[in-house]
Amino acid sequence: QQPVQSPQAVILREGEDAVINCSSSKALYSVHWYRQKHGEAPVFLMILLKGGEQKGHDKISASFNEKKQQSSLYLTASQLSYSGTYFCGTVPLEGQNFVFGPGTRLSVLP
Amino acid sequence: DTGVSQDPRHKITKRGQNVTFRCDPISEHNRLYWYRQTLGQGPEFLTYFQNEAQLEKSRLLSDRFSAERPKGSFSTLEIQRTEQGDSAMYLCASSLATTNPSGMYEQFFGPGTRLTVL
Repeated sequence: QQPVQSPQAVILREGEDAVINCSSSKALYSVHWYRQKHGEAPVFLMILLKGGEQKGHDKISASFNEKKQQSSLYLTASQLSYSGTYFCGTVPLEGQNFVFGPGTRLSVLP
Repeated sequence: DTGVSQDPRHKITKRGQNVTFRCDPISEHNRLYWYRQTLGQGPEFLTYFQNEAQLEKSRLLSDRFSAERPKGSFSTLEIQRTEQGDSAMYLCASSLATTNPSGMYEQFFGPGTRLTVL
């Protein structure tokens, strides 16, 4: 039931792009993305509700393919402040059991 | 409003003791969630409330865990007869409620309570 995230970890240089993927075996109502910095609580990034929906926040955007039950988070021209662990969370169409994925650790180096 | 607060921030206890944690959500938020997080893992859902009603509880959650939200404001999470495997960060989050049962708004997390069971 827990969504799968890939890759598990990624290391970037400042200014490079990254993609983090999240997939579920269940039909989804929504996908949520959070970022957690070391020693801090998770912080909300965005929610995607509709199939094929794309949303953006500064240079971070995401897409949601409802048919494939997949979401991708796109980080463009990464900054040092993007470092942290990114979690997707999924809400299934049936039931209301919100589940976080295992996370993707992103390290941005100068 | 200062956000979600949790107390205590750290708790060290001996195996077999009971512990209780408190969470104060953002005042206008009627949903409150409890999660447990261990190192290198994502937050694991434990339970959530809408106002004072506990609407869902993880099937994996031991009977030693109980949560309350008596007046729909703050919440407490109690762990009885603690075990070493209970050592983790316990996170509380709050959000507004949606009219759609499948809907969820963004959650605002508190700083967490780190529990160490010796």
